[in-house]
Amino acid sequence: DADVTQTPRNRITKTGKRIMLECSQTKGHDRMYWYRQDPGLGLRLIYYSFDVKDINKGEISDGYSVSRQAQAKFSLSLESAIPNQTALYFCATGGRLAGLSTDTQYFGPGTRLTVL
Amino acid sequence: AQSVSQHNHHVILSEAASLELGCNYSYGGTVNLFWYVQYPGQHLQLLLKYFSGDPLVKGIKGFEAEFIKSKFSFNLRKPSVQWSDTAEYFCAVRKGYSGAGSYQLTFGKGTKLSVIP
Repeated sequence: DADVTQTPRNRITKTGKRIMLECSQTKGHDRMYWYRQDPGLGLRLIYYSFDVKDINKGEISDGYSVSRQAQAKFSLSLESAIPNQTALYFCATGGRLAGLSTDTQYFGPGTRLTVL
Repeated sequence: AQSVSQHNHHVILSEAASLELGCNYSYGGTVNLFWYVQYPGQHLQLLLKYFSGDPLVKGIKGFEAEFIKSKFSFNLRKPSVQWSDTAEYFCAVRKGYSGAGSYQLTFGKGTKLSVIP
């Protein structure tokens, strides 16, 4: 079984709709991240969470919100989707608080979101 | 703000050619360095990482990278590429721990490698 799973894998939606992308992990990691990938721009951090009570904005959080429902689950929501949010979205997990200096991030398979 | 530069957007090589992909970063303090690979249609996979110690790091699939602190560089190398190395390669940098927010990875924009059989 995959360590980091994302649902859905593909989604097409219309402008103005609310969308939720879900991420689950079985690695037992405390830290979880959401990135978006756009051609030619690499990956950019949207939000990250160091534990269930900790949520932090990343580089491009506007238009997004997140929820850390449990240590293993981290959801990304687009409250009112717009076409420039069309992208590939990746969830990642990384390490435990006890190992702060050796954190390595592991990525899920991605969700391809298209906003029409 | 910290930035990561990957100088080559697209590299095309024949099989058995040697590969070197450049990565430079702007942060002057302690850093952790990573190379990730993304095969077509797949998620990012860790190739190798550097935290401390020997600046020459060996990763999976015959890749290696050398950290040169004075040049703020972490270039990826492979002596002989194969068609199966066709992928996009991302360099990523994280500041060494210094408090809240220091666990963010900053990614380069990626280099596409096409290997011709």
